[in-house]
Amino acid sequence: EPEVTQTPSHQVTQMGQEVILRCVPISNHLYFYWYRQILGQKVEFLVSFYNNEISEKSEIFDDQFSVERPDGSNFTLKIRSTKLEDSAMYFCASRADRPLDFGPGTRLTVT
Amino acid sequence: AQKVTQAQTEISVVEKEDVTLDCVYETRDTTYYLFWYKQPPSGELVFLIRRNSFDEQNEISGRYSWNFQKSTSSFNFTITASQVVDSAVYFCALSGGRRALTFGSGTRLQVQP
Repeated sequence: EPEVTQTPSHQVTQMGQEVILRCVPISNHLYFYWYRQILGQKVEFLVSFYNNEISEKSEIFDDQFSVERPDGSNFTLKIRSTKLEDSAMYFCASRADRPLDFGPGTRLTVT
Repeated sequence: AQKVTQAQTEISVVEKEDVTLDCVYETRDTTYYLFWYKQPPSGELVFLIRRNSFDEQNEISGRYSWNFQKSTSSFNFTITASQVVDSAVYFCALSGGRRALTFGSGTRLQVQP
């Protein structure tokens, strides 16, 4: 069964550095999402992407964040200048209809 | 705006007990979807069930059952004869209209042997 994949599984970075989190959604899916989960907290919506543009974004998704679908398969989340509070698990998800298929997550640790 | 409330932060039961996880939601949409996801200690999000707002039929899947009550805006989840492997955080979630999924804060279930 096809799955959403994410790389890396764990990324450690220093405050102020840029990071790119990568996702490969399921191939026939059209809607793509990023969510994050700070340790021990709820899963929070960041952004949704459809037809090569952002369709919805939350208040968390400020100018430090950007998303891109650089080719037909990858979907990336870039954080320009990481802060300590960006430390979290980042989940990519995709869907054709519903429900969302989530990737296994990338744990981002900002030191 | 849409909102999901899971009032139970943590529940602890002994194996073989039945347990119900509560979920109450708010939405102005007439068409919406409700979901339950399981997050085991390994961290991934595992889809359990989806319900649309027009389908109030309760569902049973093995030891799992779901009770959707539109009149009280609730979508409760019951595990019958709980097992240690059911220990996880369970999230209820809502998606209305074209909006992205909104999660509740989760209920941590600990099943003791």
